Amino acid sequence: GAGVSQSPSNKVTEKGKDVELRCDPISGHTALYWYRQSLGQGLEFLIYFQGNSAPDKSGLPSDRFSAERTGGSVSTLTIQRTQQEDSAVYLCASSSMAGGSYEQYFGPGTRLTVT
Amino acid sequence: GESVGLHLPTLSVQEGDNSIINCAYSNSASDYFIWYKQESGKGPQFIIDIRSNMDKRQGQRVTVLLNKTVKHLSLQIAATQPGDSAVYFCAENEGSSNTGKLIFGQGTTLQVKP
Repeated sequence: GAGVSQSPSNKVTEKGKDVELRCDPISGHTALYWYRQSLGQGLEFLIYFQGNSAPDKSGLPSDRFSAERTGGSVSTLTIQRTQQEDSAVYLCASSSMAGGSYEQYFGPGTRLTVT
Repeated sequence: GESVGLHLPTLSVQEGDNSIINCAYSNSASDYFIWYKQESGKGPQFIIDIRSNMDKRQGQRVTVLLNKTVKHLSLQIAATQPGDSAVYFCAENEGSSNTGKLIFGQGTTLQVKP
């Protein structure tokens, strides 16, 4: 079946512009996560959606970052007034949480470059 | 505070040898651990997981060992192949929150020499 997909795969933007990154999770997965990965680094948690619960936004680095998940499926991560330090790969993952499984399935990521 | 880290940033092994990648964690309340493999330009891919009520779990060519006494996790890869070259991340769930939130370590790069 289809895995997690993300678009665009690459995004180059000028400093100060807004960007939107999209994530299509695996159908039926109730949990959705966004991470940021800088070059040669681990995954930095950004935000987590679970069903109809309020999202866990504790990892968002500033108020320029926001995310929404419409209809419990597709999610959009928005970065306003981008800065050069926002350059990274943004990864999305989804999980079914079925049977207490925490396995997260990752998309290929969106590589964001802010010039 | 909570942290998940790896002892060595890079591990170089000969093709056919066994590889051992180590991970330390600090949250004794974590009850679920997972290993991911990330190849260049791709998202992390699940390898194997283990719950805290176990100390060993085996998969295909991989074994995860959990030592809760010293809060240590390891991934063993048997007969390492060139296709195993990647960055390996360990992760733990965030305490016992049951949110599914994972805390990732910095990663170990595995290089397999032919």
